[in-house]
Amino acid sequence: DARVTQTPRDKVTEMGQEVTMRCQPILGHNTVFWYRQTMMQGLELLAYFRNRAPLDDSGMPKDRFSAEMPDATLATLKIQPSEPRDSAVYFCASGLSGARQETQYFGPGTRLLVL
Amino acid sequence: LAKTTQPISMDSYEGQEVNITCSHNNIATNDYITWYQQFPSQGPRFIIQGYKTKVTNEVASLFIPADRKSSTLSLPRVSLSDTAVYYCLVGLYNFNKFYFGSGTKLNVKP
Repeated sequence: DARVTQTPRDKVTEMGQEVTMRCQPILGHNTVFWYRQTMMQGLELLAYFRNRAPLDDSGMPKDRFSAEMPDATLATLKIQPSEPRDSAVYFCASGLSGARQETQYFGPGTRLLVL
Repeated sequence: LAKTTQPISMDSYEGQEVNITCSHNNIATNDYITWYQQFPSQGPRFIIQGYKTKVTNEVASLFIPADRKSSTLSLPRVSLSDTAVYYCLVGLYNFNKFYFGSGTKLNVKP
């Protein structure tokens, strides 16, 4: 049963520290998404990639957030420096663009708490 | 970018049929309509997708009128385990543009 994996599952850090979240998309999927979810804002799209190229990162604060795909099996989301307002659950999802039924498969999320 | 409007919350009882309607007045010609389900502490999970008329799978049915400005997710005979947030998503084919709304929190009571 193919799944999207994310690490770490939980992260507690202090303000100003760098945070790196990792995602392994489902093998064969060519599109990767990063979302942030909070009670106040709901589910927000931060960035997404197709065939490892960034297509849209307009939802991401550029000054402190960065997203990359070093290879087809790894996507990373970095926050530097982190701030308390970054506390949220960060989801990664992958999908297959061009498939008959376009579905996003979500990982379990990384719960981030910035003190 | 087609945005969606859904009721914030709904209550139901076990065994009832639940219908959740989503409005998407500015849906574009190429947009598909997709519904996701999210349980607490989990990522959203795909339920059903459609373009027009009616789609049915083992979990739910999706009704889309001819003008496509709304859609209705129908859950037959809900159980307590169907308590979750349901999102209506409208987007262009090829994942080009899409938007997760605020979702509908469904509470199923015994």
